[in-house]
This record gives sequence, C-alpha cells and structure tokens, in this order.
Amino acid sequence: EPEVTQTPSHQVTQMGQEVILRCVPISNHLYFYWYRQILGQKVEFLVSFYNNEISEKSEIFDDQFSVERPDGSNFTLKIRSTKLEDSAMYFCASHRLASRDTQYFGPGTRLTVL
Amino acid sequence: GDSVTQMEGPVTLSEEAFLTINCTYTATGYPSLFWYVQYPGEGLQLLLKATKADDKGSNKGFEATYRKETTSFHLEKGSVQVSDSAVYFCALSDPGGSNYKLTFGKGTLLTVNP
Repeated sequence: EPEVTQTPSHQVTQMGQEVILRCVPISNHLYFYWYRQILGQKVEFLVSFYNNEISEKSEIFDDQFSVERPDGSNFTLKIRSTKLEDSAMYFCASHRLASRDTQYFGPGTRLTVL
Repeated sequence: GDSVTQMEGPVTLSEEAFLTINCTYTATGYPSLFWYVQYPGEGLQLLLKATKADDKGSNKGFEATYRKETTSFHLEKGSVQVSDSAVYFCALSDPGGSNYKLTFGKGTLLTVNP
C-alpha cells in the first residue's frame, strides 16, 4: 500500500537556524498539508497546498514558514529562523480528491530546537 | 470556527472492558468525521470515518456513528485489548471552499492493562 514518507525522522537544530522538513506524498494525491503537534498537545493545522499554491494557512504559519513542491514529488516545509517554541512533531498529509476523501499521514519529523 | 471536543483522558481499562470515548463537534458546514489513532512513537493512522448523518464507521472492532442531531461521533469498542493502548483523536473535515483541513480534538490517552 502506498505511504506518505517524511525525512528526517528527527532533526535537532540551534535556535535561529533554518530547517527544511521533507515529505513525499502518495503519488496520485493532489492536496497536501502540514500539521504540527507540540508534545502532549493536540494536532494543529499549519498549511494546505493545492495546485502549486497555498490554499489556506493558520495563524501559526507566519513569515518564518514556507512550503514548496519543488519537483512534483517532494513537498517541503521550511522554517527560516527556528525558535524554541517550534519544537514539535511535524506531520505531512495528503489526499487524492476533494471533499470527503481520507487524509493519509506520514510518520512525522520530530524537530528539536535548542 | 470549527471545533472538536473530546473526552479528557487518560482512560485506563482492563483487557476485555467496554470502551467509550466521547466526541462532539461544532462545524459551519456538513463535515466528515474521523477517528485517528496514534500508537506510541508513531504517526497518525486513520481508524474509521463517516461522511454523512447516521453513517457508522467501523474498523478493528471499533465503531462510531455520525449523529447530526447531537453533533456527536462517540468511539466505542466492546472488548479492548492491550494492543489498543494509544492516543485517540477525533477530527472533522469541513468541506467549505477549497480546503479540507482536519480540525482535531485534544486526544484521549487509552491504557489497557492485562
């Protein structure tokens, strides 16, 4: 069965550094998402991406964040200058069709900002 | 905006006990409803879903019925196993506009003892 994959599984960085989190969605999926989960808290929506552009972003997704689909298979989340409070598990998700289709999640990248 | 409220945990049960995790929602449109499960150290997996009123989602012995009149989607299982120990998230997707982001509840930690 096809899967969403994410790399790296764990990223440790210093405050102020840039990080890029990578995701490979399922190949025939058209809608892509990033979510994050701070330790012990609920999963929060960050951004959705469709047709090569952002379709919605949350208040969390400020100017320090950006997303890109550089080559038709990868979907990346960049944090330009990391803060301590960016430490979280970041999940990529994708789905095929609009409306009631199921989102498939990757295993997540644990980001630790020191 | 949309929101999901689910039963606060943690929930601790003995093997073969009956499980109920309550979930209610608020949505502006006609949402799809989901239960996701997160096993220790892993990402989110879809457990079951329902897309319209009175639909019953079921998987691995778990069930939940979409109740529009009470805006609820309670998760039940007749006989839990130790392997069901995980965090369970209720979520909705409100298909307004072009974005199908998931809104999650806070999660309920279930521990099943032998």
